[in-house]
Amino acid sequence: DGGITQSPKYLFRKEGQNVTLSCEQNLNHDAMYWYRQDPGQGLRLIYYSQIVNDFQKGDIAEGYSVSREKKESFPLTVTSAQKNPTAFYLCASSPEGLGNTEAFFGQGTRLTVV
Amino acid sequence: AQSVTQLDSHVSVSEGTPVLLRCNYSSSYSPSLFWYVQHPNKGLQLLLKYTSAATLVKGINGFEAEFKKSETSFHLTKPSAHMSDAAEYFCVVSDKGNAGNMLTFGGGTRLMVKP
Repeated sequence: DGGITQSPKYLFRKEGQNVTLSCEQNLNHDAMYWYRQDPGQGLRLIYYSQIVNDFQKGDIAEGYSVSREKKESFPLTVTSAQKNPTAFYLCASSPEGLGNTEAFFGQGTRLTVV
Repeated sequence: AQSVTQLDSHVSVSEGTPVLLRCNYSSSYSPSLFWYVQHPNKGLQLLLKYTSAATLVKGINGFEAEFKKSETSFHLTKPSAHMSDAAEYFCVVSDKGNAGNMLTFGGGTRLMVKP
């Protein structure tokens, strides 16, 4: 089945640690996105990539990093510089990077700082 | 710049009664508009989308929405609520005129369905 796979579903991080969230898609989509969702709030864009080896900062990129070495993969690293990383993280992809088509979402990763 | 306002953060209805979730948008160009649903601890699923074709859009699970340019609205409706409709709903706008544009999300509306 085609789709977007995020792993792990739950992730715990100690203070000062970097952690990497995985996002893989087999939809052959060019564009991929990372969003952060806090309780009772909408989604905020962290980073996006419209093509392999290229990515752009979104609205809340500070404390995060990404890479796009393969079309299928867009991992997100939450660094120790992110002061409040506890949140629900959603990865998405779309056939076009211009936002004219809908985005397809993974099932999310819930990150908790312990 | 584009923005989306979901006018109600919470909506409560009884099972079998109509559902109305309100959404207003602002956009510089001709927007595409979407409604997504999110069940607890899950990703977002597309309900329906408007992309400049028919203004009345039918989606999955009996939902529909009407694009009203004069009112800059894209309200989501369903004639009869089901218990399984209880979830968070997001109205989303995409601006075709802005190269590299991303989706802009509303703040969400939590729909509660009472038996």
